[in-house]
Amino acid sequence: AIQLTQSPSSLSASVGDRVTITCRASQGISSALAWYQQKPGKAPKLLIYDASSLEGGVPSRFSGSGSGTDFTLTISSLQPEDFATYYCQQFSSFPQRTFGQGTKVEIK
Amino acid sequence: QVQLVQSGAEMKKPGSSVKVSCRASGGTFSSYALTWVRQAPGQGLEWMGGIIPIFGTSNYAQKFQDRVTITTDESTSTAYMELSSLTSEDTAVYYCAGGGFWFDPWGQGTLVTVSS
Repeated sequence: AIQLTQSPSSLSASVGDRVTITCRASQGISSALAWYQQKPGKAPKLLIYDASSLEGGVPSRFSGSGSGTDFTLTISSLQPEDFATYYCQQFSSFPQRTFGQGTKVEIK
Repeated sequence: QVQLVQSGAEMKKPGSSVKVSCRASGGTFSSYALTWVRQAPGQGLEWMGGIIPIFGTSNYAQKFQDRVTITTDESTSTAYMELSSLTSEDTAVYYCAGGGFWFDPWGQGTLVTVSS
């Protein structure tokens, strides 16, 4: 089964900071990766699919990049509403799907 | 735009089963893949399995293969996830979500608590 490892597990940042989260796959998955944002007590929200395609309605400060085994989610200028936990998810291996363990973005 | 509404919270005894529903509105249900994901308290997201109603075929994570059944009722645009042989480790919020590749939209989640 394909494993996804996110780093860091948590980070502290200030409003306006540029934030980068990494997701590494245990084997190549082409661009079959999505990113989600989850706030406490809420369902996850899709941000990015196909590694770099921005879901409609998601602010342009969010971007995704990468292919193969290494992927990145970048928030160009962190806003107060961006403090949340972020998950990557692969959809390369049919029918199995897996999530990364999550990265919690906290206020510094 | 499809919206997914799940059934309410459940309290179950160890060894029993739970069946959570997910009703879709605003879209073409039969051609829309549906996925179930769970999240234990304070933990990450865990994919359980999915179904494409028009094909009636379900796929499950190996971890749950022997205990989970995902079905649909096209007449009511509702998907179901039934998990058997519950233990305290199955205490979690269970989400349905649209899509088989990436997942969107999501239901509001259903808390299942397993306790004696």
